[in-house]
Amino acid sequence: LAKTTQPISMDSYEGQEVNITCSHNNIATNDYITWYQQFPSQGPRFIIQGYKTKVTNEVASLFIPADRKSSTLSLPRVSLSDTAVYYCLVGDIGGSQGNLIFGKGTKLSVKP
Amino acid sequence: ETGVTQSPTHLIKTRGQQVTLRCSSQSGHNTVSWYQQALGQGPQFIFQYYREEENGRGNFPPRFSGLQFPNYSSELNVNALELDDSALYLCASSDRGQGINEKLFFGSGTQLSVL
Repeated sequence: LAKTTQPISMDSYEGQEVNITCSHNNIATNDYITWYQQFPSQGPRFIIQGYKTKVTNEVASLFIPADRKSSTLSLPRVSLSDTAVYYCLVGDIGGSQGNLIFGKGTKLSVKP
Repeated sequence: ETGVTQSPTHLIKTRGQQVTLRCSSQSGHNTVSWYQQALGQGPQFIFQYYREEENGRGNFPPRFSGLQFPNYSSELNVNALELDDSALYLCASSDRGQGINEKLFFGSGTQLSVL
């Protein structure tokens, strides 16, 4: 299972676009890249998942370069409610028997 | 709301005791995974159950055990509690039939305090 490296913390202001980059140099061919969001005293919540290029949903965009050794989660126009910890995970979820490596995540603080 | 419910929400035990945590998976999901999250850390994988059998296990001692029932709900049992077992215990359900891009849906967790 590929390990990931992401910044410990980031600060932003309301209305700004936030980009959180995750490094995963040892990503395997079958691995997907998944991002989760976690608020205090709650379980992580799925945000977005991708394999290559760009994925967009109603919440975020995920950019994955051709070598797939990194990925960037983009949150457009953040609000105070986006203050949370964001986890980047890499793995063959169905084949890895659920053993996802979360790491410490990136604590995003959005200020007014 | 993910549809995954955990009980109890909070629990206080003393060292050496045993505890059982419960999880009801989201409707239609056949797989349950358990994670331990210490304060300030990311969740750590304990084990996963698929069709009532343990399907994978993280680096946790045998005193952490589990069950999955025919309705896909699950229990996590911890024997001989230690102070370091104090953590948020998270249950996540998923549909193994989705294939390799299977998504996990987490409950809100059980906060266990061992005194």
